[in-house]
Amino acid sequence: QITLKESGPTLVKPTQTLTLTCTLSGFSLSTSGVGVGWVRQPPGKALEWLALIYWDDYKRYSPSLKSRLTITKDTSKSQVVLTMTNMDPVDTATYYCAHLLLQGVHFDYWGQGTLVTVSS
Amino acid sequence: QSVLTQPPSVSGAPGQRVTISCTGSSSNIGAGYDVHWYQQLPGAAPKLLISRNSNRPSGVPDRFSGSKSGTSASLAITGLQAEDEADYYCQSYDSSLSGSSVVFGGGTKLTVL
Repeated sequence: QITLKESGPTLVKPTQTLTLTCTLSGFSLSTSGVGVGWVRQPPGKALEWLALIYWDDYKRYSPSLKSRLTITKDTSKSQVVLTMTNMDPVDTATYYCAHLLLQGVHFDYWGQGTLVTVSS
Repeated sequence: QSVLTQPPSVSGAPGQRVTISCTGSSSNIGAGYDVHWYQQLPGAAPKLLISRNSNRPSGVPDRFSGSKSGTSASLAITGLQAEDEADYYCQSYDSSLSGSSVVFGGGTKLTVL
């Protein structure tokens, strides 16, 4: 049974760096064709893809946020970490991590999400 | 402004059929990249509804179907039920001179009348 769970701060101040951890269960990020992605959703708004990382350490970032994002994986800990620098109130959103399949590039399992509020 | 365009809302009465369109361009859907659909119930995480244009994951009712043609894709829901009231998102992959990325539609809110 594949599950993912996001963890991190619920409140960050403007200009701070956000670090979110996605803990994986039921699969390994060393398996060929498997990846993890991050998607966020501001309150009442649409889904926005942020970043992805595959089993072979291939990474991709949203072009509009690329300069602020870093995604890494720790296969031994079954974790994927996303950092976003220079947080702003417009970054207030629910952040999801999701299991990603290379074939077709889609997310078949999602975490429950974690709401991050950016406020001073 | 989303790369993939969806109607903001659609509605239908119980038992009816509704469709949700997803319009892209030559750098994403038109380039041959697959389209996937997600259902997001109020207060919940998105759930994969249709993968790779027309494939239903295990457990998804056959009332849901997907298709793709040219630079567009569609999600059809037949025999509409109250529990189908949710937000629906299409997703694909985009590859252009600025790089490649996952792209989502702006979402469509389905109201069951």
